[in-house]
Amino acid sequence: GQNIDQPTEMTATEGAIVQINCTYQTSGFNGLFWYQQHAGEAPTFLSYNVLDGLEEKGRFSSFLSRSKGYSYLLLKELQMKDSASYLCAPHQGGKLIFGQGTELSVKP
Amino acid sequence: DSGVTQTPKHLITATGQRVTLRCSPRSGDLSVYWYQQSLDQGLQFLIQYYNGEERAKGNILERFSAQQFPDLHSELNLSSLELGDSALYFCASSDDRSVGEQFFGPGTRLTVL
Repeated sequence: GQNIDQPTEMTATEGAIVQINCTYQTSGFNGLFWYQQHAGEAPTFLSYNVLDGLEEKGRFSSFLSRSKGYSYLLLKELQMKDSASYLCAPHQGGKLIFGQGTELSVKP
Repeated sequence: DSGVTQTPKHLITATGQRVTLRCSPRSGDLSVYWYQQSLDQGLQFLIQYYNGEERAKGNILERFSAQQFPDLHSELNLSSLELGDSALYFCASSDDRSVGEQFFGPGTRLTVL
């Protein structure tokens, strides 16, 4: 089965750092994706972790611990345009199982 | 632009009607996925096709059906529509040769009145 848990909402200040956590319980786990989705738009790919550890890509980094069923997305130097929903999605047998998403609001 | 196209962009119809949503995957991608996103729910996986064959099924209602054609485009058919079917319907594609990253189309917003 699948169970994905991430905070519903977060607020942060422009220029700051924010960490969005995700815990999951899935069978047949193949890795974990993070997607960004602006309201009414398509999700866009941010990162993919298959091994434990930190993957850094510009202002965004993602961490995975397979043994703990835990991941986080770290956003640095926040910009107003980063206000969006961030979706944690474990990869299971070719399928992405999406969490409810974390709505991030970046304030000036 | 992800390279995935969906038509129509908006669709307004009445309860009891039937509609067809269309998706063209990125060039070279063999897998097509359909998702439903309602206001109060996250992205719900409906169904996946790979090279014309159904590969995986999620929470897809019996009133809904899909198919993938030889040219790899896909259609999602929704029948006996209910008010609760109002949602954004996304199509995504992947090449299944890499890590499985899915590229999403712009979506079709369906409103059932």
